Parts: sequence; structure tokens; C-alpha cells
Amino acid sequence: EIVLTQSPGTLSLSLGEGATLSCRASQSVSSDYLAWYQQKPGQAPRLLVYGASSRAAGVPGRFSGSGSGTDFTLTISRLEPEDFAVYYCQQYASSPYSFGQGTKLGIK
Amino acid sequence: QVQLVQSGAEVKKPGASVKLSCMASGYTFTNYYIHWVRQAPGQGFEWMGAINPYGGSTSHPQKFQGRVSLTRDTSTSTVYMELSSLSSEDTAVYFCARGSLAIAVAGSVSWFDPWGQGTLVTVSS
Repeated sequence: EIVLTQSPGTLSLSLGEGATLSCRASQSVSSDYLAWYQQKPGQAPRLLVYGASSRAAGVPGRFSGSGSGTDFTLTISRLEPEDFAVYYCQQYASSPYSFGQGTKLGIK
Repeated sequence: QVQLVQSGAEVKKPGASVKLSCMASGYTFTNYYIHWVRQAPGQGFEWMGAINPYGGSTSHPQKFQGRVSLTRDTSTSTVYMELSSLSSEDTAVYFCARGSLAIAVAGSVSWFDPWGQGTLVTVSS
């Protein structure tokens, strides 16, 4: 089973700043089958990135994913008010499909 | 548009079972896997299993073997998830989600999009 570890657990930043969120896998994620989701309170997750670096339809260009193997990053440039949420990574390369524990992005 | 609509909140006693539904619309139901994921209060996500709506085959992580049953009704484009022997640890929001790539293209290997709105299951005596 692939275990995903996200860091930091909590990130406090100001509007307009950039954010870097990390997701590390316990073993290599084949074919970079890694996705990122955003979740706001009381809502279902929203897909941001799949295939480690492909942005989902309708996702603003300030969101970008990168990385391969065991180390992946979600970068948000120029934070907007609606970006403050919890972010999760997920690997779908091998069953059981697993998620990271999340990074909570808060306003400083 | 592609949409998954889940059934309403449930309150169950320990030891009971719960059966949740997830109705799909906006696409060919039998072409895409449906997954179930749960989120305990204040916690992350846990994948519970998936069903191929075409033939009805299912897969589950070892943790849920024997306790989770996934079925589907192709006439109503609905997937059902039944969880038995409930305990307080099963209190969570349960989501269904569609595999974004068609089964013919990727099998079960796909990211999840879209997701249903979630169903809160509370287990309490």
C-alpha cells in the first residue's frame, strides 16, 4: 500500500503570496498517477490536477502541479481569497487508492 | 452535465447496516467506474472500494472485505453501497465519485471526478 505524506500540515499565507504544498509517497507512484484536490468546509472535493501536472478543466492557471516518482508539489501563485481551503493529494496508480492527510491553507 | 446525486443523511445504531445510493446522470453509466470514499469528522479520505457498472465486478481494500457490498442498478443508473456491522468509528461523510477515464481506456486506473455531494452517516446508540 502506498502511503502519502503531505507537508506542511498547516500553512498560513497572505493574499497575493505564493504557496508550495508537498506530497511524498512511500514508494514510487507509477506513471505519475497522482491527483490534487481542493476541499472547502461542507463541500465535496474538487479536482485540481491529475497525472501529476495536468490541470483539470476550469482550474485557474495559478494552480500548477509538478514532480514524479515519490515527490510531488502543488504550487499556487498569487493566492486569491477563494484558495484558502484544505488540499489533498491522491495516488491512483495502485489499489488501495490512497490519499494524503491534507494541508490546510489559511489566511495570515 | 455529469452529476452524481447521493441519498440523504442516516442515523444508525451500533451493529446495524446502512445502504447508501448514488445516482448518476449526464453520461453512459456503464462506461465508468464508481468509487466510494469516506471522510471521518475532521479527517482525511479513505477509499472503500469500486464497482464496474457494466458487469458489476467490485474491488475493496482488505480492511473492508466482508463488510462492504457494492451493487448497481443499470435501469436507474444507481450504485448502492451497503456497510454492515456499524460502529462509532464508521461515523463519517460517505462520497461516491466517478473514475474520470472510461473503463475501456484505463480500466479502474483513474482520478476521481466528479464527486457526489456526500452523505453523513452517524452511528450512535
